[in-house]
Amino acid sequence: SQKIEQNSEALNIQEGKTATLTCNYTNYSPAYLQWYRQDPGRGPVFLLLIRENEKEKRKERLKVTFDTTLKQSLFHITASQPADSATYLCALPAGGFKTIFGAGTRLFVKA
Amino acid sequence: EAGVAQSPRYKIIEKRQSVAFWCNPISGHATLYWYQQILGQGPKLLIQFQNNGVVDDSQLPKDRFSAERLKGVDSTLKIQPAKLEDSAVYLCASSSQTVAYEQYFGPGTRLTVT
Repeated sequence: SQKIEQNSEALNIQEGKTATLTCNYTNYSPAYLQWYRQDPGRGPVFLLLIRENEKEKRKERLKVTFDTTLKQSLFHITASQPADSATYLCALPAGGFKTIFGAGTRLFVKA
Repeated sequence: EAGVAQSPRYKIIEKRQSVAFWCNPISGHATLYWYQQILGQGPKLLIQFQNNGVVDDSQLPKDRFSAERLKGVDSTLKIQPAKLEDSAVYLCASSSQTVAYEQYFGPGTRLTVT
């Protein structure tokens, strides 16, 4: 069955450094991949979508890569700030109209 | 533009009781989703509506969960009777037909079943 894996361990980094989060998937070939941000007590917020024919996509301090051979996406936050502390979820279309979300990786940015 | 509204924000019930959640999507969004998010996990789709109709309810435990979307706008999700394992956050999301992949989520309802 389709499966998404994100690092369950929290990522702790110092302010100003680049945070890199990983999303791996198995058993399918999605046409696109999404990243969402979720703060405690809130619903996820859409950040970026990258399509299978795009290697890289940028939005302000965010950069996403998509390697369909490795079945992996990397999500980078450059010049990280304490306000970037949140859980980041990877999401993929799962056939039909369904979206599957990963469990997310918790990011802590220390000042 | 107002976001997705959900109520109540918190609910505590005893097992075997019933509970209902309400969602008002973003105006004009044709697609409405209900997700269950258990602590430490990602959201899991329970049911998806396109206007009034159900397009996916394959993961909805139909023996105890029901949902409806009247007039293609508001939606309610009901659990009857609740079990301990139903303790979770129930998220409602909506998306437009033109940008269908971008889902807008409400704040969720945290349900605790004791």
